[in-house]
Amino acid sequence: GAGVSQSPSNKVTEKGKDVELRCDPISGHTALYWYRQSLGQGLEFLIYFQGNSAPDKSGLPSDRFSAERTGGSVSTLTIQRTQQEDSAVYLCASRQMRGDSYNEQFFGPGTRLTVL
Amino acid sequence: AQSVTQLDSHVSVSEGTPVLLRCNYSSSYSPSLFWYVQHPNKGLQLLLKYTSAATLVKGINGFEAEFKKSETSFHLTKPSAHMSDAAEYFCVVSASGTYKYIFGTGTRLKVLA
Repeated sequence: GAGVSQSPSNKVTEKGKDVELRCDPISGHTALYWYRQSLGQGLEFLIYFQGNSAPDKSGLPSDRFSAERTGGSVSTLTIQRTQQEDSAVYLCASRQMRGDSYNEQFFGPGTRLTVL
Repeated sequence: AQSVTQLDSHVSVSEGTPVLLRCNYSSSYSPSLFWYVQHPNKGLQLLLKYTSAATLVKGINGFEAEFKKSETSFHLTKPSAHMSDAAEYFCVVSASGTYKYIFGTGTRLKVLA
């Protein structure tokens, strides 16, 4: 079946502009995560959505970052007034919630953001 | 609290020789442990996961890992490296019953011809 998809695959923007990154999770996966991966670094947790519960936004680095998930499916990560340090690969992952907690995340290919 | 440490940022092996990527974890609760691989400009792909059913876990592409509670380790091994194994590998820990995943900083595997 279809995996997690993200768009665009690459985004180049000028400092100060706003950007929107999109994630389409696997159908039926109620949990959705956003991560940021900077060059040579591990994955930095940004935000977590689970069903209709309030999202865990504890990883968002500043108030310029926001995310929403409409209808429990597609999610959009918005970065306002982009800065050069926002340049990174933004990864989305979804997960099927089951009774156990051993199920894994499925990752999209990522969006590479470059802020000039 | 949970944490994960990947002991080597870079590992180089010759094609056909064994691979060992080391991972140590810390978890207050029964951990779930995972290894993911990331090829250049690609997303992360699951290699294997520890679910407490067996301490020796076999994954895709000939990889396996052994959960050693006494050593708090979950090292990734493969008997014979292929050129296609060159990639970045991430060890991940999650405490049972939680939704947070903690990623290691990654080990870049280089396979020499």
